[in-house]
Amino acid sequence: KNQVEQSPQSLIILEGKNCTLQCNYTVSPFSNLRWYKQDTGRGPVSLTIMTFSENTKSNGRYTATLDADTKQSSLHITASQLSDSASYICVVSDRGSTLGRLYFGRGTQLTVWP
Amino acid sequence: EADIYQTPRYLVIGTGKKITLECSQTMGHDKMYWYQQDPGMELHLIHYSYGVNSTEKGDLSSESTVSRIRTEHFPLTLESARPSHTSQYLCASSGTGQVNQPQHFGDGTRLSIL
Repeated sequence: KNQVEQSPQSLIILEGKNCTLQCNYTVSPFSNLRWYKQDTGRGPVSLTIMTFSENTKSNGRYTATLDADTKQSSLHITASQLSDSASYICVVSDRGSTLGRLYFGRGTQLTVWP
Repeated sequence: EADIYQTPRYLVIGTGKKITLECSQTMGHDKMYWYQQDPGMELHLIHYSYGVNSTEKGDLSSESTVSRIRTEHFPLTLESARPSHTSQYLCASSGTGQVNQPQHFGDGTRLSIL
């Protein structure tokens, strides 16, 4: 069964600290993995996308890694800010985002305290 | 920033009423989607469309219906609302041509049926 599991379910950190969110998946065949940020009361916004051949991709203070062999991805947030408080959702596609099915994780709820 | 709009943002209504949730996008995207999202849970695809006059049911069974008469408009209708329909409904769209295009999400409609 194709699944996407995220951990931790929730995380509280102090402003300025770093954190790492995890995503494990069993989706096959694998096409790409995308991390979304969803602010409270808003729709998800894409942060990064990684295909099979990519193992690291950065977007400002966000760095995503992918290990396609172990089917694991992580999202590292550096020097967290209050605005980073949101749910971070891992989404895996099995045949490309435009044609294939998307499998969503339940998200990690990140809270950044001042 | 994606141009996809959902109205209303919030709706509280009694059981048995007919409801239409609006979704419009100005990006000329062929593909549009409706998701249902409950707190702390993953997004579930309930309807999608690959173009005008094309609609398909998603993975999660839903009593709602959709129509796609115009490229930019993808409304969702509940003929007779019930408390079990209480949820957040997210609309998304994606373009064609380039591989791995992201889905752009609206900010959702939070629906409460009394």
